[in-house]
Amino acid sequence: SSELTQDPAVSVALRQTVRITCQGDSLRSYYASWYQQKSGQAPVLLIYGKDIRPSGIPDRFSGSSSGDTATLTISGAQAEDEAAYYCNSRDSSGDLVVFGGGTKLTVL
Amino acid sequence: EVQLVESGGGVVQPGGSLRLSCAASGFTFDDYAMHWVRQFPGKGLEWVSGIRYNGRTVTYAGSVKGRFTSSRDNAQNSLYLQMSSLRPDDTGIYYCAKDIMHSSGDSFDAWGQGTVVIVSS
Repeated sequence: SSELTQDPAVSVALRQTVRITCQGDSLRSYYASWYQQKSGQAPVLLIYGKDIRPSGIPDRFSGSSSGDTATLTISGAQAEDEAAYYCNSRDSSGDLVVFGGGTKLTVL
Repeated sequence: EVQLVESGGGVVQPGGSLRLSCAASGFTFDDYAMHWVRQFPGKGLEWVSGIRYNGRTVTYAGSVKGRFTSSRDNAQNSLYLQMSSLRPDDTGIYYCAKDIMHSSGDSFDAWGQGTVVIVSS
């Protein structure tokens, strides 16, 4: 079982804002990273650290954190944002890496 | 352009062994930690192992510790995963991934296309 908990599925209307959350005790001490995985493709890093986007990631993706919960916000969701989204971070010991179970985003 | 190309996947019987390779290019390989991440069929991601830039520290998920060994050859820009005592629940796509840091962190900014491992009799 994962030490990071995500909602299995979320939906959003086109061009609206959606928040995807990731909850876990280790997030009180460590930042989460966020990945997007489209069907049949490898994951892509969207956000890491406090709210850092790698080059090429649109600025409609942003990250935040409060307490034991990290949040990925997509402001103005596009049809191409339909994908699975995963968070990861350290486990409670700080030694290992854990992924959340993933959230399947549907854009309506 | 950063490229990671995995190879070595295939079908193996339970209890068998397999060695995965990951060929890296487009970046200074020995500046970065590297990881293996797997994905079970139709399921989520599971971190398998991380290795520091110099290969001196390797960490493993509990589910593979004692059965899998990760190593790297910086002269060959290559990452390896030796898998033994394989079980059906090891079946999945195995990705190599590049860390953003020297040390083994948790942010992976490049991924290979994956290699498929099937453990079945």
